Amino acid sequence: AQSVTQLDSQVPVFEEAPVELRCNYSSSVSVYLFWYVQYPNQGLQLLLKYLSGSTLVKGINGFEAEFNKSQTSFHLRKPSVHISDTAEYFCAVSDLTGNQFYFGTGTSLTVIP
Amino acid sequence: EAGVTQFPSHSVIEKGQTVTLRCDPISGHDNLYWYRRVMGKEIKFLLHFVKESKQDESGMPNNRFLAERTGGTYSTLKVQPAELEDSGVYFCASSLSHGFWANTEAFFGQGTRLTVV
Repeated sequence: AQSVTQLDSQVPVFEEAPVELRCNYSSSVSVYLFWYVQYPNQGLQLLLKYLSGSTLVKGINGFEAEFNKSQTSFHLRKPSVHISDTAEYFCAVSDLTGNQFYFGTGTSLTVIP
Repeated sequence: EAGVTQFPSHSVIEKGQTVTLRCDPISGHDNLYWYRRVMGKEIKFLLHFVKESKQDESGMPNNRFLAERTGGTYSTLKVQPAELEDSGVYFCASSLSHGFWANTEAFFGQGTRLTVV
């Protein structure tokens, strides 16, 4: 089975500052990796996903993530955050069959004006 | 196109009572999933329907939980009797195909926040 660790439960950051949300995974097989976001009172929304190929993945709203196999990490980054980025972010992993998702505990990002 | 809809958005019940959560998937999506997030913990898989059949219910915590999907459309998740540890946010997701995470997208509802007191 796979597992995901999100090291930071809460991340406060000032508006227009850069942010990195950390995600490490554990798996004995090859995996797909995902970041989901949940804005207040909304459902989970896919931000980006890594399937194969380029290790730098670009997603919606200016977010990107880099897959690092040697460090088993998939950190999410944005060079300049907006107030509207305030939300909870979930990292997730699945094996290549996609039969099940394993989510992390989530990171609450708060953007401070 | 309507998204995945969950009812109610919030529910507060007493220990020992029964609660039924409902999920309306996106029309035409054969695959329907239930997940749960206990406060401060990860979102965990509960079960997966393909149309009206339970494909995988390995994540159901115990027999107090009963999920149905009559006619392969909406799904209900009943908790009877509810216990304090059942509190959390219950998410529903739907997708066109399974093994979908890579090839298609899963769409999630906004969740039902269940509080058992």
